[in-house]
Amino acid sequence: GQNIDQPTEMTATEGAIVQINCTYQTSGFNGLFWYQQHAGEAPTFLSYNVLDGLEEKGRFSSFLSRSKGYSYLLLKELQMKDSASYLCAALDSNYQLIWGAGTKLIIKP
Amino acid sequence: GAVVSQHPSWVICKSGTSVKIECRSLDFQATTMFWYRQFPKQSLMLMATSNEGSKATYEQGVEKDKFLINHASLTLSTLTVTSAHPEDSSFYICSARDRGDYNEQFFGPGTRLTVL
Repeated sequence: GQNIDQPTEMTATEGAIVQINCTYQTSGFNGLFWYQQHAGEAPTFLSYNVLDGLEEKGRFSSFLSRSKGYSYLLLKELQMKDSASYLCAALDSNYQLIWGAGTKLIIKP
Repeated sequence: GAVVSQHPSWVICKSGTSVKIECRSLDFQATTMFWYRQFPKQSLMLMATSNEGSKATYEQGVEKDKFLINHASLTLSTLTVTSAHPEDSSFYICSARDRGDYNEQFFGPGTRLTVL
């Protein structure tokens, strides 16, 4: 079956760095997305990886290893506004998004 | 960037009434739109995939007679929750895929439905 695993909750300190891991098993693979979702709002796009390696975009970076079925989202210089849920989603062979349950990130001052 | 709107943003209704939610792609043509439901502190659950001009494909466990989906044009899909009950109260989110890009889905802002 298809499955996405990511931690349920993580806590980090303002100004620090945090890495949110995601492992996936899908029928075919057409890329890995990370979305940010604040409470009561729809998800917003953060990153898309389809090739192995690290993609850097400002304070956020995303890494993909297709052979390991593994991705991570790296957040640097954490700010209080980064407190949110981070959703990992893999695009399968039918171009259907398979969603993880999300990681709730709590930032402490 | 691609923009998707949803209307209404929130709705409160009495049990037994029907509620229609609209999802529009404002600056692109969406051959495929997706309807999700999200309960508090849970992840997105795909309800159905809607292709323009054809019947929607429903996920297992989603009643197609209760959640009517119409995708009559390349920019509009509607979800009608028929005879809504309190257990249907949820956050409903649509997303749309640009006909020229199979990879990314663009999300609407969501509709919060509360059934009394």
